[in-house]
Amino acid sequence: GDSVTQMEGPVTLSEEAFLTINCTYTATGYPSLFWYVQYPGEGLQLLLKATKADDKGSNKGFEATYRKETTSFHLEKGSVQVSDSAVYFCALSGPGYSSASKIIFGSGTRLSIRP
Amino acid sequence: EAGVAQSPRYKIIEKRQSVAFWCNPISGHATLYWYQQILGQGPKLLIQFQNNGVVDDSQLPKDRFSAERLKGVDSTLKIQPAKLEDSAVYLCASSLGKGMSTEAFFGQGTRLTVV
Repeated sequence: GDSVTQMEGPVTLSEEAFLTINCTYTATGYPSLFWYVQYPGEGLQLLLKATKADDKGSNKGFEATYRKETTSFHLEKGSVQVSDSAVYFCALSGPGYSSASKIIFGSGTRLSIRP
Repeated sequence: EAGVAQSPRYKIIEKRQSVAFWCNPISGHATLYWYQQILGQGPKLLIQFQNNGVVDDSQLPKDRFSAERLKGVDSTLKIQPAKLEDSAVYLCASSLGKGMSTEAFFGQGTRLTVV
């Protein structure tokens, strides 16, 4: 079945460091790919998404490119801030038919940024 | 626009007791999801509704879990009887339900502790 594998955490970085969180997926067909973020004490919220190969999703300085050839969707940010400390989830949504598809999540990566 | 509402936020029960969670999705959203998020893991889909019909309940432990979405709006998730391993955050999400790239919006979740 469809699945998502993401980088084990926790990840601790200093402020202004470069961030990469790896994510790979297994899916039949051509899924949509997402990064969700969960800030402390808050619910899950969509960070960015890409719906087809070579698409780049971006938001709040974060970017991820849908790489079909490597089945990857790695999250990157050039300069992290303390406010980026959160848990990040990679997710996919399989090909939809008559209704919205279920969303399958990875296990999450906890990111902590030191001032 | 009001988000996905869930109640209660926290619940502590003894094993073998029953518990119910409530979810009010975003107005007009046809698709409603219930996810279980065990500490340190990614959310796992329990059940997905399209309007008031079940699309996917393959990972719902049907001997103890039940869910309904009467009139295609609000939904309740029930556990009876609860086990220690049911301790988790129960997340409700909704989406427009049109196509695979539609964003899902999550509620704050209900944190269940079974003692």
